[in-house]
Amino acid sequence: DTEVTQTPKHLVMGMTNKKSLKCEQHMGHRAMYWYKQKAKKPPELMFVYSYEKLSINESVPSRFSPECPNSSLLNLHLHALQPEDSALYLCASSRQGGDYGYTFGSGTRLTVV
Amino acid sequence: QKEVEQNSGPLSVPEGAIASLNCTYSDRGSQSFFWYRQYSGKSPELIMSIYSNGDKEDGRFTAQLNKASQYVSLLIRDSQPSDSATYLCAPYSMDTGRRALTFGSGTRLQVQP
Repeated sequence: DTEVTQTPKHLVMGMTNKKSLKCEQHMGHRAMYWYKQKAKKPPELMFVYSYEKLSINESVPSRFSPECPNSSLLNLHLHALQPEDSALYLCASSRQGGDYGYTFGSGTRLTVV
Repeated sequence: QKEVEQNSGPLSVPEGAIASLNCTYSDRGSQSFFWYRQYSGKSPELIMSIYSNGDKEDGRFTAQLNKASQYVSLLIRDSQPSDSATYLCAPYSMDTGRRALTFGSGTRLQVQP
């Protein structure tokens, strides 16, 4: 299995909703990442998990809450989002260290209304 | 702030020509370098990695790295319309405080049939 699976593929949520994005990989990778990508912009790092521990938080607002329940799963909990949070949310995984590159999931297209 | 610079394009080449994509980076701690291809509305796909100075060839793709000049490039030979996409340069930093890929803004390539 050489894939990173993200669900859902599309999500529309209101500003008062709580929702979660899910990411799963079975490649034995021990580092997992959340990136946010706006239209015509490069992916922007949000969080890095290494061996299920949060190692990097790029000063992301607390309305985004990551969770890594085990080495194969990564969640992103969303609460009280703003319309400007609408974007493509990408999950990626890599061998520990990341210096062999990342494998990205297909992303979740999030629209906040 | 670690920076990765790419010409945003669009770079327009005729089918069958060589497309040359360039990238400069500011972080001298970068040791691994990756090129990702991203089709509109899709997630990034790893197409090339390079770790040492010189050239690395894989099919129609050649990556070139010059660490002294902090420069990395991607050549696409015999360009095809299916190569039309945005190409993201991504150095991997070995800085202990930020072991993650940093993406350039991307170069949009258009291959004209």
